[in-house]
Amino acid sequence: GAVVSQHPSWVICKSGTSVKIECRSLDFQATTMFWYRQFPKQSLMLMATSNEGSKATYEQGVEKDKFLINHASLTLSTLTVTSAHPEDSSFYICSAKRQGGSWSNQPQHFGDGTRLSIL
Amino acid sequence: DAKTTQPNSMESNEEEPVHLPCNHSTISGTDYIHWYRQLPSQGPEYVIHGLTSNVNNRMASLAIAEDRKSSTLILHRATLRDAAVYYCILGEGNFGNEKLTFGTGTRLTIIP
Repeated sequence: GAVVSQHPSWVICKSGTSVKIECRSLDFQATTMFWYRQFPKQSLMLMATSNEGSKATYEQGVEKDKFLINHASLTLSTLTVTSAHPEDSSFYICSAKRQGGSWSNQPQHFGDGTRLSIL
Repeated sequence: DAKTTQPNSMESNEEEPVHLPCNHSTISGTDYIHWYRQLPSQGPEYVIHGLTSNVNNRMASLAIAEDRKSSTLILHRATLRDAAVYYCILGEGNFGNEKLTFGTGTRLTIIP
């Protein structure tokens, strides 16, 4: 089945550090990837939609200068949390949809998430 | 945003069928109904999705009401591995580029 890989799976770093999270679709091409954030005991919140070769579309309230998204190829999207602070500590999850075909046949495939802890 | 309503939690005995309900009274004609589940400390896993007709796959069945205002995810024989948070979501947006808006989901507990 379709596999989405996220790296790293967890990271601990000091306040003020920038952290990059990678999301790769391993066996399919994805023109669209999505980035979510999940706080403890809460549901997933969509942060942005990442489109290959163009600028990401951010959800309301998400700072695009703080959460930089790059989707340089059909198999890789990156999320960089710039100058991270303790309130950015969360579980970040990406998903990807296989390129082509109709939506009715293409579910989203999620990575296993990255747990970010800012000290 | 198209919204769904699910019970916060449910319990079921192992090896018995489970019926997880979802209400989506404001669904539009082009919204697909998606079900995902999430185990602790993992990303969500796709379960099933459909538009109007009932759907079956190796994981579950999806029963969609005739008016599409509700649906039920059916796990035919629950195992301990099925314990998870189940999300019922309406896919909305441009065809082929739908984003998913997660609600609070139903936490399913399986009793051995």
